Amino acid sequence: SQQGEEDPQALSIQEGENATMNCSYKTSINNLQWYRQNSGRGLVHLILIRSNEREKHSGRLRVTLDTSKKSSSLLITASRAADTASYFCATEMGYSTLTFGKGTMLLVSP
Amino acid sequence: SAVISQKPSRDICQRGTSLTIQCQVDSQVTMMFWYRQQPGQSLTLIATANQGSEATYESGFVIDKFPISRPNLTFSTLTVSNMSPEDSSIYLCSVGGGGEKLFFGSGTQLSVL
Repeated sequence: SQQGEEDPQALSIQEGENATMNCSYKTSINNLQWYRQNSGRGLVHLILIRSNEREKHSGRLRVTLDTSKKSSSLLITASRAADTASYFCATEMGYSTLTFGKGTMLLVSP
Repeated sequence: SAVISQKPSRDICQRGTSLTIQCQVDSQVTMMFWYRQQPGQSLTLIATANQGSEATYESGFVIDKFPISRPNLTFSTLTVSNMSPEDSSIYLCSVGGGGEKLFFGSGTQLSVL
């Protein structure tokens, strides 16, 4: 089944540094979404990027999408300890259900 | 946007028993989704619940094990039946999709002894 695969699985950085997470998928998509999960609780939506878009920004977040390479990246700039969480990409084909990747665990140390 | 109230937030249960998880949405929605997240893993869709019809289950999930109710457009329950330690997971309900983002409940952390 369609699934995003995040890379790296885990990332540890210092406050103020940038964090980059990547997501690869297998087949054509309608959109790709990024979510954050704190301490195994509910997921919070971060950004949705559609297949005809190449880049989107939201505050300190920047998402790119390369449909030719079937990949996306999430950049968090000037990271904070509060950014510590797991980050998941999710892909949607057509208007069907979302399929989630395995996630990247981000640790931001003060 | 949608706000989802999910309960219980966590529970510890004995094997062989059942647990019912409830989700209440602050607006009417056509579809509600139930996900399972096993320890250290990604989210896996269990089923899609539509009001007034049987839930649609994904491969590997069956109604006898995970019965779902959807009595109206703002409420749904998921029951985890005849539990075993392998059912220890976080269970999440969500709404949205269809080309737009999902909103999630806060999750139910289930431990089965």
